[in-house]
Amino acid sequence: GAVVSQHPSWVICKSGTSVKIECRSLDFQATTMFWYRQFPKQSLMLMATSNEGSKATYEQGVEKDKFLINHASLTLSTLTVTSAHPEDSSFYICSASDSWGTQYFGPGTRLLVL
Amino acid sequence: QKEVEQNSGPLSVPEGAIASLNCTYSDRGSQSFFWYRQYSGKSPELIMSIYSNGDKEDGRFTAQLNKASQYVSLLIRDSQPSDSATYLCAVNNYGQNFVFGPGTRLSVLP
Repeated sequence: GAVVSQHPSWVICKSGTSVKIECRSLDFQATTMFWYRQFPKQSLMLMATSNEGSKATYEQGVEKDKFLINHASLTLSTLTVTSAHPEDSSFYICSASDSWGTQYFGPGTRLLVL
Repeated sequence: QKEVEQNSGPLSVPEGAIASLNCTYSDRGSQSFFWYRQYSGKSPELIMSIYSNGDKEDGRFTAQLNKASQYVSLLIRDSQPSDSATYLCAVNNYGQNFVFGPGTRLSVLP
């Protein structure tokens, strides 16, 4: 099956720093990638949809200047959490969509902002 | 009306029983349907996809789709404690929308 990787799997950082998370589709090309956030015991929340070579589409309430998304190639999308604060601590999960529209998820990145 | 609905659960079944998970959707233009399993603290994992009316079987899992009723279900036969997880239903209208339901928490009791 299709494999999506994320790096890093864990990040601990100080408040005010920026954190970059990478999402890669390893064995297929993904024209569309998605970024989700999930707080403990809550549902997945879609943050943004990212298409290769174009600007990401953000969901309502998600600050595009705080969560910078770059989808530079068909296999790589990055999410940068700028000036992270403790309330940004969460489980960030990316997914990549194949040509059939099936989403495959990465293993997720746990972010803890101190 | 929410686009994809699921009972939040928890749904508790004894080990060895059949677990039945249900999902309804509102967009009649939906064309593909998916079931994901998410263990606590992990990311979702694709279990089944179904595109045509009827049943699709894969091991202990059977997905059922009824487009006229806008209903998709997942049956898990011979449920095991390791099946305890949250099951997410997802619906896709090609090029338009990929929508997840809120998930149903399944607990298989030994």
